Amino acid sequence: GAVVSQHPSRVICKSGTSVKIECRSLDFQATTMFWYRQFPKKSLMLMATSNEGSKATYEQGVEKDKFLINHASLTLSTLTVTSAHPEDSSFYICSGGMGAIQETQYFGPGTRLLVL
Amino acid sequence: AQSVTQLDSHVSVSEGTPVLLRCNYSSSYSPSLFWYVQHPNKGLQLLLKYTSAATLVKGINGFEAEFKKSETSFHLTKPSAHMSDAAEYFCVVSTSGTYKYIFGTGTRLKVLA
Repeated sequence: GAVVSQHPSRVICKSGTSVKIECRSLDFQATTMFWYRQFPKKSLMLMATSNEGSKATYEQGVEKDKFLINHASLTLSTLTVTSAHPEDSSFYICSGGMGAIQETQYFGPGTRLLVL
Repeated sequence: AQSVTQLDSHVSVSEGTPVLLRCNYSSSYSPSLFWYVQHPNKGLQLLLKYTSAATLVKGINGFEAEFKKSETSFHLTKPSAHMSDAAEYFCVVSTSGTYKYIFGTGTRLKVLA
């Protein structure tokens, strides 16, 4: 149980275009979803936390206008990288939690973004 | 403030020998602690978690970890390493009241044949 999927798994785009990444909780309702970024051989950096139906809370240093997050339902959150640039190339991972304090997060398989 | 320190960035063991991955935490509250494993280009898989119940936690694939409050440690162990255990391991502490995770810097486990 507690499976999270991400789509696409890999995407290559041209600089200046926008890319949307979907994160779905397949067998549970994720009241809270998290978006992380992972640089090569590095740990995960939390970008933002989103609760269903409300605006995402971004971590310090993360541009909210660049990384648009929508959590439209209890099973779907999207991350849109707007006007992508090569420095946005990274591994993006989402996770879902069921809302209780200190609850387990269930992670998606990640999306590798390469901006040319 | 909460933090987690993984003491070794790389650990190498021979197949069939014990594994020890070290993690120390700092927390003002009773923490929840987790170990996740990440295989190359994959998402994170939960190995085990501690949430103030039994201090010795058993996880998947033969892994276990012991919560030691006096030492502020949550080391991950496995009696006998398998080649498939080669991966990156992350120790995580959950911040009270915010559901946020604080990740350690990771330990890369290499298993030698």
